[in-house]
Amino acid sequence: GENVEQHPSTLSVQEGDSAVIKCTYSDSASNYFPWYKQELGKRPQLIIDIRSNVGEKKDQRIAVTLNKTAKHFSLHITETQPEDSAVYFCAASKNNYQLIWGAGTKLIIKP
Amino acid sequence: EAGVAQSPRYKIIEKRQSVAFWCNPISGHATLYWYQQILGQGPKLLIQFQNNGVVDDSQLPKDRFSAERLKGVDSTLKIQPAKLEDSAVYLCASTGASDEQFFGPGTRLTVL
Repeated sequence: GENVEQHPSTLSVQEGDSAVIKCTYSDSASNYFPWYKQELGKRPQLIIDIRSNVGEKKDQRIAVTLNKTAKHFSLHITETQPEDSAVYFCAASKNNYQLIWGAGTKLIIKP
Repeated sequence: EAGVAQSPRYKIIEKRQSVAFWCNPISGHATLYWYQQILGQGPKLLIQFQNNGVVDDSQLPKDRFSAERLKGVDSTLKIQPAKLEDSAVYLCASTGASDEQFFGPGTRLTVL
């Protein structure tokens, strides 16, 4: 079955710098890759997603890149702000079946 | 539109007791998921429903966990009997036409 690995487990960056979180997946048939943000004590919320027919997608300060050959995808956050502090989860699925989640990355924005 | 509703928000029980959680998805969402999220980990899918049918329950510990969605709308998840390792947040999510999963606020279960 699908396996999703996420790195790093903790990432600390200076406010205003960029943050990059990487995930790898094992099932080449996976075609949907969302990223969720979960603030402490709150529910996960979708921040951006990408499908296998697209290599990159941007939404303001957030971007996701997908390398199907290498089976990895990354989340890029530019100009980080204090409100970006949270746990970020990547996930992968094929045809909206059984979304497999990474273990999460705790992002810390230092003032 | 109203979001995914869950109740109760918090529950404390002793081991070997039973507990039930309720979820009402966003109106019109055919797919409903129950996840278990242990502190410091990502959500783990327990069961996925499409309308009132089970799509995937491969990770549901069927000796103690059960779930139903009889009318294809709201759903209940039951644990009987509970173990200490069941302490977690139980998240319900639903999807409609898009793939985005919308999560409820979760039920935090503590088993003593």
